[in-house]
Amino acid sequence: DTEVTQTPKHLVMGMTNKKSLKCEQHMGHRAMYWYKQKAKKPPELMFVYSYEKLSINESVPSRFSPECPNSSLLNLHLHALQPEDSALYLCASSQVGTYTIYFGEGSWLTVV
Amino acid sequence: KNEVEQSPQNLTAQEGEFITINCSYSVGISALHWLQQHPGGGIVSLFMLSSGKKKHGRLIATINIQEKHSSLHITASHPRDSAVYICAVPGGSNYKLTFGKGTLLTVNP
Repeated sequence: DTEVTQTPKHLVMGMTNKKSLKCEQHMGHRAMYWYKQKAKKPPELMFVYSYEKLSINESVPSRFSPECPNSSLLNLHLHALQPEDSALYLCASSQVGTYTIYFGEGSWLTVV
Repeated sequence: KNEVEQSPQNLTAQEGEFITINCSYSVGISALHWLQQHPGGGIVSLFMLSSGKKKHGRLIATINIQEKHSSLHITASHPRDSAVYICAVPGGSNYKLTFGKGTLLTVNP
């Protein structure tokens, strides 16, 4: 199983809503990532968890709140988002210390 | 910081043609990724390579560490190969990747 599974695939939310994106992998990877990708741009790293601890936060606004409840799951909690936060949110995972990274299909987020 | 340049930015081909996409980077690396992204889709890792050449089906990736250059070749291209192809290299920490801007490939039937 070399899959990173993300849900939901599409999400539309209002600026006052609270929602979550979920990511799951069963490859035993202990590093998990959130990326944000705008149209026709490369992905931008948001957060990295290593051994379930937040390792990197790329100065992401606090309206994005990551959570890693266990080694297989990664969540991204969303609250009070802005329309400019509309993007494709990609989850990825890897073994710690390696560059073999697996990406999920992404969650398309639209903020209205 | 590693600078990654891809060329061409856009490429249109006829089905069956041989395709080459190039990637150059400025700082020596231990590994390089080639990634594929179909329109509206997520990212698929095609290759990670640190030296020489790798082949998977109709796709071939090569890297020249001394020249800081990699190429992705597609033989007998097919419309389903139409996608954005992205080169990525380690970006200064164990977890960060520096991405190229991508090459949009369109293969016409």
